[in-house]
Amino acid sequence: GESVGLHLPTLSVQEGDNSIINCAYSNSASDYFIWYKQESGKGPQFIIDIRSNMDKRQGQRVTVLLNKTVKHLSLQIAATQPGDSAVYFCAESYNQGGKLIFGQGTELSVKP
Amino acid sequence: EAGVAQSPRYKIIEKRQSVAFWCNPISGHATLYWYQQILGQGPKLLIQFQNNGVVDDSQLPKDRFSAERLKGVDSTLKIQPAKLEDSAVYLCASSPTGSEQYFGPGTRLTVT
Repeated sequence: GESVGLHLPTLSVQEGDNSIINCAYSNSASDYFIWYKQESGKGPQFIIDIRSNMDKRQGQRVTVLLNKTVKHLSLQIAATQPGDSAVYFCAESYNQGGKLIFGQGTELSVKP
Repeated sequence: EAGVAQSPRYKIIEKRQSVAFWCNPISGHATLYWYQQILGQGPKLLIQFQNNGVVDDSQLPKDRFSAERLKGVDSTLKIQPAKLEDSAVYLCASSPTGSEQYFGPGTRLTVT
């Protein structure tokens, strides 16, 4: 039979607005976290990472926030552009370099 | 710098047939990963190599899946025999350090 994929959470924003994508991770022992962007037909692309000894890290137009108390990770994208439209995945690992566990993903749609 | 190369990009086979995927990692990257990504989900690690040795294959269905990395460079992933539930995108990734992973474009497998 045909497999049915899960419906991804979707975030729709207007071009130029800020976007916030949230992720709940599963393992309280995870010490390394990464955000990936995946466009249709392509492999995941690294955006930004953060280690557990930090609670915030900034890149170009992106910021990752880590709240270990509630096992929550967020990705903020400033001045969202149509090219930011993609599926965004958070990933966690224990002992940096170990197996990455990916979250479900959020589809970001940017309206011009 | 050339990225991770994968072939073929698409493959359609009937159930119970065999299929093989090929990956050429970024030059100099010691760590190589194979992931399975089912539609609507995040990638799931199948196997991790460090040079030509297996680091983690705990989620590889070894009754039908096999992988090798000869000479610590290219890698092949094989499925024999394929099942309907193997329909997915198979992603190869490589890493110089075991932390930041660079993904290839993937091979989309459809099993009918």
